Parts: sequence; C-alpha cells; structure tokens
Amino acid sequence: NAGVTQTPKFRILKIGQSMTLQCTQDMNHNYMYWYRQDPGMGLKLIYYSVGAGITDKGEVPNGYNVSRSTTEDFPLRLELAAPSQTSVYFCASSYPTGAGEQFFGPGTRLTVL
Amino acid sequence: GQQLNQSPQSMFIQEGEDVSMNCTSSSIFNTWLWYKQEPGEGPVLLIALYKAGELTSNGRLTAQFGITRKDSFLNISASIPSDVGIYFCAGRNYGQNFVFGPGTRLSVLP
Repeated sequence: NAGVTQTPKFRILKIGQSMTLQCTQDMNHNYMYWYRQDPGMGLKLIYYSVGAGITDKGEVPNGYNVSRSTTEDFPLRLELAAPSQTSVYFCASSYPTGAGEQFFGPGTRLTVL
Repeated sequence: GQQLNQSPQSMFIQEGEDVSMNCTSSSIFNTWLWYKQEPGEGPVLLIALYKAGELTSNGRLTAQFGITRKDSFLNISASIPSDVGIYFCAGRNYGQNFVFGPGTRLSVLP
C-alpha cells in the first residue's frame, strides 16, 4: 500500500494564479481531509469529505474548493492564489468507525509570490 | 474554534534522557492522538487513546489520557537522535473533527 500520496511536493505560484493539489489514498478510507500547516502552528482543517460526492467546510475554507468524485481522490483547488495561502498542505484519510485515526500524506509546500 | 495548548513549545535534551510533554484543552475529549512529524514529511501516528485514565505504550513511548479528559501526556524514555521532530497532539469528541495542537519541537543532543 502506498497510503496517502500527494502531488506536487513543491510549487511556486504567482498572485492570482490557480492550481490543484492532488491527493490519492489506496486504503479504501471513506473520510478524507485537507489541512494547512503554517510555521509554529498546528494543523488547520480546510475541507473534509465523508464519502464520494460529499464535502464540507472546515475551519479555514475561504479561497479553496474541493471535489470528491471517487473514494480514492480528493483534490484541493486554489482559484486565485494569494500570499496568505503560502503554507504546507497535508491531505489525510481515515475510516469512519473506531477512533478515526488519520493517516497523512507527505505534504505539498506552496509559496505564493 | 477549539484550541489545544502544548507544553513545552520546544525542548533540547541530551541523548539518553527521558522526555515529558503535555497537551491541554478547554473542552473535554473522548479521543486523543499523538503524532510525530519529521522535517519534510507528514505527521505519523504514534499512539491513540480512547478513554480517560488510559495508559498506552509504543516501544519507548508512553501516552496517557488525562482523568479530567481535558489533557493528555506523552513520555519518551531513553531518548535517541532519531526521536528528533515535532510532536503533535490531537483531540476530539464524538461526531466532531480532530483539533490539533501547535506541537512540541524536540531536539536531541548527542
């Protein structure tokens, strides 16, 4: 099992550009999440999904969009990149039952200039 | 939103020393998780705790679910250089999403 994979690993964007961060998991987890991690801070939840076709906002959703057309994939879209979106982005997945322990991908480091 | 506090923020220890860190919340939780993050990587789950008072070990790591349900503790015994990283706690109540602490950065000096 590859677990949770994310692409790209690094990206530099100009203000106003758009991009999609890809996330795929092969553990057949129903739940998937997108977090951002700013220096010295904990993980902040952007969006999450409890299954294909179902998404919901987390704590910091502004400036982002998501879709969930399959169980495996949960892409995160930035439409108009802003410097405030410079961060490290982590995708995670979990089973809906049990304690819901989340398994994380390696992250995407995004810089907006 | 909910906030978790982790203490200490950072620590420098000698190889072989024991380490203690804690996580506190203003709300009660029914699940606590402890993660470790190494540079350039995503967090990796170390220990999961499911009920108040629970004490769980994973090798040299031991974590406890506080009796008040508002705190959790992580101990590392006989630290080694590969223990270096950031340790995050996360907690939640039933039906809610996990909230993550800001992390404790651990440095181990040889």
